[in-house]
Amino acid sequence: GENVEQHPSTLSVQEGDSAVIKCTYSDSASNYFPWYKQELGKRPQLIIDIRSNVGEKKDQRIAVTLNKTAKHFSLHITETQPEDSAVYFCAARTREGSNYKLTFGKGTLLTVNP
Amino acid sequence: GAVVSQHPSRVICKSGTSVKIECRSLDFQATTMFWYRQFPKQSLMLMATSNEGSKATYEQGVEKDKFLINHASLTLSTLTVTSAHPEDSSFYICSARDVGPGGANTGELFFGEGSRLTVL
Repeated sequence: GENVEQHPSTLSVQEGDSAVIKCTYSDSASNYFPWYKQELGKRPQLIIDIRSNVGEKKDQRIAVTLNKTAKHFSLHITETQPEDSAVYFCAARTREGSNYKLTFGKGTLLTVNP
Repeated sequence: GAVVSQHPSRVICKSGTSVKIECRSLDFQATTMFWYRQFPKQSLMLMATSNEGSKATYEQGVEKDKFLINHASLTLSTLTVTSAHPEDSSFYICSARDVGPGGANTGELFFGEGSRLTVL
């Protein structure tokens, strides 16, 4: 099955700096890669996603890049703000029979210091 | 975006009792829902895939007799933790997939609020 590795597990940055979180996946058939933000005790929220036919996608301060050959994708947050502090999860989607299944990375605790 | 509601948000029960958690898609029909378990400071671990009108597909290592899943309608899936024990204490989250551009099962995944189960 799919295996998703996520690094780093914790990341601390100063407000205004950039933050980068990296993930690798094992199944070359995976074709959809979402990123979720989870604040303490709350549900994960989708913040950005990318499909396998695209190499990069940007939404304001957030961008995601995908390298299919190397099977890795990254989340980039620029001009970080304290409210960006949360746990971020990457995921890769594979198809199993008639179902699409998401496999999550272990998460990155991002702390933005004011 | 679409809304997934999960209830209850918190439940405390005695060891040996059963607890039912509901997951509802409020403004869309979800033929497939997913149940996850999340331990403190850890990732979301998929427990099972719930398909409307058919049996759930459980992940390896998840006891299907202990975690009963019923997906009786296109907007409701339930997870029942039977004969709960303290080690079942966890944060349980459901998710449902809206229909996406590629048809059923390819849309965005929306999560419920989660249910924190504490077994005494």
